[in-house]
Amino acid sequence: DVVMTQSPLSLPVTLGQPASISCRSSQSLVYSDGNTYLNWFQQRPGQSPRRLIYKVSNWDSGVPDRFSGSGSGTDFTLKISRVEAEDVGVYYCMQGTHWPRTFGQGTKLEIK
Amino acid sequence: EVQLVESGGGLVKPGGSLRLSCAASGFTFSSYSMNWVRQAPGKGLEWVSSISSSSSYIYYADSVKGRFTISRDNAKNSLYLQMNSLRAEDTAVYYCARDPPTDAFDIWGQGTMVTVSS
Repeated sequence: DVVMTQSPLSLPVTLGQPASISCRSSQSLVYSDGNTYLNWFQQRPGQSPRRLIYKVSNWDSGVPDRFSGSGSGTDFTLKISRVEAEDVGVYYCMQGTHWPRTFGQGTKLEIK
Repeated sequence: EVQLVESGGGLVKPGGSLRLSCAASGFTFSSYSMNWVRQAPGKGLEWVSSISSSSSYIYYADSVKGRFTISRDNAKNSLYLQMNSLRAEDTAVYYCARDPPTDAFDIWGQGTMVTVSS
């Protein structure tokens, strides 16, 4: 199975400051069709997960543009340009290139 | 509005069975692959099973293979998960999630809690 490793696992951030989460995969996530199926999810306290970013860098509908995704191959990053109070929660990366689909351990973002 | 609503969770004894349902609305259910994803209390997300739009392709996580069965009824816009031989480690919130074309998990339900305990 492809192992997804996130860092940090805990991320205290001051309001208005940037935040960055790293996600590394144990194998390349480039699929035979040329796409890289790396997604990012946000789970606010007490809520279901919500997809933010798909195929590395594409925003889902309604996602603020302060969120951005980047990376390639085995190394990916989710960045928040200016953290707001509503961004508190746990963030997961997930790969859909290889079966079984696997998630990172999650990064808990909190306000400092 | 696109919506997924799970039901069927509850308390069951080890070795018991439970059937989860997911009712879809607001989109053409028969055109989408669907999934079950679970989350143990205080833990991360774990993919459980996937089924293609016409049920031609079905996949399971090793942790549930041989015990769980995913199915769907496109006429009823519903997804199911039959869970047999339940273990304490199956205790989790179970979410159904939709796959958009060529990608994964764009819409999630609110989840249903399954507790396996004597």
